[in-house]
Amino acid sequence: NAGVTQTPKFRILKIGQSMTLQCAQDMNHNYMYWYRQDPGMGLKLIYYSVGAGITDKGEVPNGYNVSRSTTEDFPLRLELAAPSQTSVYFCASRAGTDNQPQHFGDGTRLSIL
Amino acid sequence: AQKVTQAQTEISVVEKEDVTLDCVYETRDTTYYLFWYKQPPSGELVFLIRRNSFDEQNEISGRYSWNFQKSTSSFNFTITASQVVDSAVYFCALSVPSGGSYIPTFGRGTSLIVHP
Repeated sequence: NAGVTQTPKFRILKIGQSMTLQCAQDMNHNYMYWYRQDPGMGLKLIYYSVGAGITDKGEVPNGYNVSRSTTEDFPLRLELAAPSQTSVYFCASRAGTDNQPQHFGDGTRLSIL
Repeated sequence: AQKVTQAQTEISVVEKEDVTLDCVYETRDTTYYLFWYKQPPSGELVFLIRRNSFDEQNEISGRYSWNFQKSTSSFNFTITASQVVDSAVYFCALSVPSGGSYIPTFGRGTSLIVHP
């Protein structure tokens, strides 16, 4: 059971480039989340989804977009990369409606130069 | 708005010492959930415990224990007889209902360093 899989693990982008961070889960979870983790700042919620076709903004959505066409996949898109988006990105999923704990991927370390 | 405060940025102890990690939360919701997660140096986040707002029972799991006090809005985490493998960043999180879902808010984390 793979759980939550994030790709790539590391990436370096130039300012203005675009890329998609991939996230896939094989647990049939309806709820999926994207966070960014900056040093000493904890995790900040970027976007979340409560099921296929439904997404909503979190605390720090600017500069990002998401889609949820299937239950399994929740990609995060950066359209015009900026140095402020240098961070570690975590995808998570969870089951159920009674707020089960989240399962996290291993993270993607992204640097914008 | 929801808020989670982990006032201790970093704690350093020697192996076998007991250590308590503090977590104070703010919310106006009467129904909410509290979590602790561990992030070891390898980077992944591991779930430790979940507690809902109606369950104030303290919990013990091996060397880990949690003290939930609604009166002080705190959900503290104690490690007894710490070990080097406990070295990690520990996050407290609060999850409150919003539009049919639950929106999580994380604290900034406490870095625990256990020296041999």
